[in-house]
Amino acid sequence: GQQLNQSPQSMFIQEGEDVSMNCTSSSIFNTWLWYKQDPGEGPVLLIALYKAGELTSNGRLTAQFGITRKDSFLNISASIPSDVGIYFCAGPGAGSYQLTFGKGTKLSVIP
Amino acid sequence: DTGVSQDPRHKITKRGQNVTFRCDPISEHNRLYWYRQTLGQGPEFLTYFQNEAQLEKSRLLSDRFSAERPKGSFSTLEIQRTEQGDSAMYLCASSLEVESEAFFGQGTRLTVV
Repeated sequence: GQQLNQSPQSMFIQEGEDVSMNCTSSSIFNTWLWYKQDPGEGPVLLIALYKAGELTSNGRLTAQFGITRKDSFLNISASIPSDVGIYFCAGPGAGSYQLTFGKGTKLSVIP
Repeated sequence: DTGVSQDPRHKITKRGQNVTFRCDPISEHNRLYWYRQTLGQGPEFLTYFQNEAQLEKSRLLSDRFSAERPKGSFSTLEIQRTEQGDSAMYLCASSLEVESEAFFGQGTRLTVV
């Protein structure tokens, strides 16, 4: 089946720094979704990408749909303490509307 | 609040008991999904409904699991004869029919003791 690999698995950054994380797939995706999950809560949709090469922003967050359709990137600028959480990439499997998720990137922000 | 709602938020049950969870999707969304998430992992797909029809089921959904969505509105997920391995966060999500953006509820944390 399809697999999504996220890197890094975890990261510690200073408040105010920029963050970059990525997600790669063994197969082509037509949609990339980025979610953030806080402990004990459900994932919250941050950004959705639908076209190869697409660059989309949501406040301090910017995500890109890779040209090869096999990767996506999420950047967070000027991190703040509330950015702490686990960031997941996800996409629908071929011929299906079910989402395949990566294992997440755990972000810690040091004040 | 018009988001996805799940009930209960937490459930502790003894092994062998049956449990049922409820999900109320965003009202205009036709598609409803159930996912399971264990510690350190991303959510894993269990099943989904388009309106009242259950169209796709994962191999993770053993015979002890059953999901329904009567009248195409809320959905229930029942686990019979619970096992310790069923302990997980059960997430419900919904989406519009032609989009793949799924919006998740807060989840039900199941602990089987």
